[in-house]
Amino acid sequence: GESVGLHLPTLSVQEGDNSIINCAYSNSASDYFIWYKQESGKGPQFIIDIRSNMDKRQGQRVTVLLNKTVKHLSLQIAATQPGDSAVYFCAENRGPSGYSTLTFGKGTMLLVSP
Amino acid sequence: DVKVTQSSRYLVKRTGEKVFLECVQDMDHENMFWYRQDPGLGLRLIYFSYDVKMKEKGDIPEGYSVSREKKERFSLILESASTNQTSMYLCASSTPGTGVDTQYFGPGTRLTVL
Repeated sequence: GESVGLHLPTLSVQEGDNSIINCAYSNSASDYFIWYKQESGKGPQFIIDIRSNMDKRQGQRVTVLLNKTVKHLSLQIAATQPGDSAVYFCAENRGPSGYSTLTFGKGTMLLVSP
Repeated sequence: DVKVTQSSRYLVKRTGEKVFLECVQDMDHENMFWYRQDPGLGLRLIYFSYDVKMKEKGDIPEGYSVSREKKERFSLILESASTNQTSMYLCASSTPGTGVDTQYFGPGTRLTVL
């Protein structure tokens, strides 16, 4: 889930397990949501997005679920690999498409052990 | 692939110095953004730009200014660097028209102000 204070929430899993990373968002008017992955020493990398008129979207090994009733977003990673170890951020848009900015969550660290 | 490059990966400056951080993107994106990233605080938006010579304040613009003279280049300026501006600085770009304004990030510049 989202972090509070200085400590990043951490999810530790074994290689091959499925991982679920959660995110609570704040703006019920957001049009879309994006998940990013940030490896150590690198900039955030786009993983997958979902529009607010959807409740599920699948990519390669990843699935994003959106529950607008409780303003909750999750990222599911199937068959987690050591290369998935990173910090994962959710982001929601502010403003209309084309002129929007993103508000980022504080991130969750995923640690995958072999 | 979208490529966003930042002029330096690591930078060390002294208090009071004027600092320029440069960002270049090669995908003809209209929108460009500057963030800083600090432990426990996530990504915070400093300034953004929707077009050449346009700029908008983000959430934490104090102590910073920006310049966008060409579409592909967005510069962040610290007029008089202070120790509390020690941080990781991330540049991003996006383009409107798809309904989801996915931002693509550069590798970041880790700035230390002594």
